[in-house]
Amino acid sequence: SQTIHQWPATLVQPVGSPLSLECTVEGTSNPNLYWYRQAAGRGLQLLFYSVGIGQISSEVPQNLSASRPQDRQFILSSKKLLLSDSGFYLCAGETGSGGEQYFGPGTRLTVT
Amino acid sequence: AQSVTQLGSHVSVSEGALVLLRCNYSSSVPPYLFWYVQYPNQGLQLLLKYTSAATLVKGINGFEAEFKKSETSFHLTKPSAHMSDAAEYFCAVRTYGGFKTIFGAGTRLFVKA
Repeated sequence: SQTIHQWPATLVQPVGSPLSLECTVEGTSNPNLYWYRQAAGRGLQLLFYSVGIGQISSEVPQNLSASRPQDRQFILSSKKLLLSDSGFYLCAGETGSGGEQYFGPGTRLTVT
Repeated sequence: AQSVTQLGSHVSVSEGALVLLRCNYSSSVPPYLFWYVQYPNQGLQLLLKYTSAATLVKGINGFEAEFKKSETSFHLTKPSAHMSDAAEYFCAVRTYGGFKTIFGAGTRLFVKA
């Protein structure tokens, strides 16, 4: 089975600073990869997904971007963070056509 | 567009009591339905998955869910709650012909001793 690694676990950043969150996948190849954001007391908001290297689909227009430089690496970035970017960021991977997603442990981002 | 609604943002049960978490999907039958569990400050973990092979689906930790097309529901149940079941539970649907999974808003389960 696949394992999703995310780091850092927690991050406190000032408004206007850049962001880079990394997600790596172990135990499978050619996965679909996803970035979600979870606000307190709310469900998961899909931000980006990727079905292959260099292929990124954006679901929510905002100041975040994503990249997939390698098959098992997915990066979430921002040039200038906003207060509204605070939240719990989850990376998920998926293989096969069954739709099951495996989640990483998440990164809690607080923008101050 | 496909959607999923979870009734009740919070559910509280006593230890040993029946757990019932409600989920309704939009009118078109999705190819897959899921329940995930999330413990505090962790990622989500798959509990069970419906694939149309059987309407009653058994998952991990004693949970099961029943797909009812006539009610567009996929409720999650467990006969006897345990303290370790306290967590947030998400119902999710897979969209047709795409790569997206739509998650409900979640239901937080509290278990009282």
